[in-house]
Amino acid sequence: AQSVTQLGSHVSVSEGALVLLRCNYSSSVPPYLFWYVQYPNQGLQLLLKYTSAATLVKGINGFEAEFKKSETSFHLTKPSAHMSDAAEYFCAVNSGGYQKVTFGTGTKLQVIP
Amino acid sequence: GAVVSQHPSWVICKSGTSVKIECRSLDFQATTMFWYRQFPKQSLMLMATSNEGSKATYEQGVEKDKFLINHASLTLSTLTVTSAHPEDSSFYICSASGQGTTGGISPLHFGNGTRLTVT
Repeated sequence: AQSVTQLGSHVSVSEGALVLLRCNYSSSVPPYLFWYVQYPNQGLQLLLKYTSAATLVKGINGFEAEFKKSETSFHLTKPSAHMSDAAEYFCAVNSGGYQKVTFGTGTKLQVIP
Repeated sequence: GAVVSQHPSWVICKSGTSVKIECRSLDFQATTMFWYRQFPKQSLMLMATSNEGSKATYEQGVEKDKFLINHASLTLSTLTVTSAHPEDSSFYICSASGQGTTGGISPLHFGNGTRLTVT
């Protein structure tokens, strides 16, 4: 079984401030982990993925995430928020080769000018 | 990169009618396509998984007779909402993976979704 918990359904940061979106996972086997971004009325775009290589994963738009097995976490960060980062972010986990992905409930990021 | 096109982007229909949503992989062959439903301010709920040329696998609680999925070719899957009711109003998103996509361990490529409103 696999699951994902995203802490905080809404996060607000000032423009230029650090972005930290939290994700904890549960998996019975070593997982693959993903962060996706969704803009209003659009599909999902992959930001980055962890596939058991480097624990610090760099993605698009300046985002990165660190896989911490001991904490079962995969938090998403960005050093300096930009107005265009305002969107909804989903953490996701895949524990098996069936390609079935389980999504978290999402975190809506608001960037305050 | 791989592109998934979903059509229409929005549709309004009357209760009792059927609506078909198309999902196409434009530059790769999608051996597997996934259909999700997203309620307002909620996450994506996987409805079904379809493999080209075979019957779709539906998630528990999803009515297969109401949500008909066809994946007749490697580039096209369709979702038909039959006898639609207002409670079927939602945002439907497809995704695809398969030959030519990177890291085929997940549905990396999503369509832009279809907003269905049933009146």
